[in-house]
Amino acid sequence: KNEVEQSPQNLTAQEGEFITINCSYSVGISALHWLQQHPGGGIVSLFMLSSGKKKHGRLIATINIQEKHSSLHITASHPRDSAVYICAATRRNNNDMRFGAGTRLTVKP
Amino acid sequence: EPEVTQTPSHQVTQMGQEVILRCVPISNHLYFYWYRQILGQKVEFLVSFYNNEISEKSEIFDDQFSVERPDGSNFTLKIRSTKLEDSAMYFCASSEQGLRSNQPQHFGDGTRLSIL
Repeated sequence: KNEVEQSPQNLTAQEGEFITINCSYSVGISALHWLQQHPGGGIVSLFMLSSGKKKHGRLIATINIQEKHSSLHITASHPRDSAVYICAATRRNNNDMRFGAGTRLTVKP
Repeated sequence: EPEVTQTPSHQVTQMGQEVILRCVPISNHLYFYWYRQILGQKVEFLVSFYNNEISEKSEIFDDQFSVERPDGSNFTLKIRSTKLEDSAMYFCASSEQGLRSNQPQHFGDGTRLSIL
């Protein structure tokens, strides 16, 4: 079983829709990361969370430590949000990261 | 804005040859990382590096891999005797503090390694 699971694998939305991507993890973590991978392959770090909620522009990330679950929300989605969104966990007893398989988001105009 | 730079963007190498992938982290960053992504698969952690030594490595990072910070600016990943299955995109990243902190990592654009 993968230590970090994401859903859905693929997501298609219309411009303006509210988007939610989910991440569940089975390991003890010290931090949870949300990353964005552009069609060209480049990776950008969006959020690092160890508790609660963070917001940056139209993006919101939440984490529930007890349930081992995190969500990434995009409000008022736009075609330029089209990318692969990756959840990754820094394991508590190690200083490495475990990655989810990514969610491919396509936002249509 | 400062960025992590990786060279080359694409490296083609014959199986069995040694390859060195190069990265220039952001200048005030202290923690450095290598990741790989085989085509169509998820990103995998290879190694983290701090204070001139490896701080963590994954089960993938076996004896054929090594990392080095040969001078004050470069951070390199060497693969000693490449195999076909080493073909992947390799990403370098750096951060001011370690993975457990709230400081984000900054990623390079990656080097696509093709083993023939």
